Amino acid sequence: GAVVSQHPSWVICKSGTSVKIECRSLDFQATTMFWYRQFPKQSLMLMATSNEGSKATYEQGVEKDKFLINHASLTLSTLTVTSAHPEDSSFYICSASLERSYGYTFGSGTRLTVV
Amino acid sequence: DQQVKQNSPSLSVQEGRISILNCDYTNSMFDYFLWYKKYPAEGPTFLISISSIKDKNEDGRFTVFLNKSAKHLSLHIVPSQPGDSAVYFCAASYTGANSKLTFGKGITLSVRP
Repeated sequence: GAVVSQHPSWVICKSGTSVKIECRSLDFQATTMFWYRQFPKQSLMLMATSNEGSKATYEQGVEKDKFLINHASLTLSTLTVTSAHPEDSSFYICSASLERSYGYTFGSGTRLTVV
Repeated sequence: DQQVKQNSPSLSVQEGRISILNCDYTNSMFDYFLWYKKYPAEGPTFLISISSIKDKNEDGRFTVFLNKSAKHLSLHIVPSQPGDSAVYFCAASYTGANSKLTFGKGITLSVRP
């Protein structure tokens, strides 16, 4: 089945620094990947849709200059949290789908803590 | 505006009994619905899905029912097992939305031994 690998699983960084999170589709090509954010006991909120070879589509309220998304290949999308602040601390999850009927496969998530 | 609603934050069920998790939606354009199971600090795991052209889909112990007129779906787990204890998310998408998912807030299911 479709496997999505996300790295790192957790990261602690200082305020003002940038953090890159990688999302890879291991056994299929994904022209589209999705980035979500989850606060404790809250729903998964879609941040942006990552499109291979083109600009990402951001959801309303998500700062595209703060959350940089690059989808340079059919198997890799990256999310860079720039100039991180403590309020950026959250659980970030990516997903990709080979086909909608197969269900979307999610990465294992990245716990970001900004101190 | 919450387009996918899971109004009950938690559910506790005895092992062996049926678990019924409910989900309501408001956007009539949604035509595909999915259920995910999630453990803390992990990504969601796909469980089962249903297209709007169906009203039932079954996979082992999991059955999803869709009532389009009521904009309501439910996930039935029978028999419930302690290993089913997790957070369950209902999600929906519609054709033309670039397949992005809209999630509910989730229901925490606890199955008591």
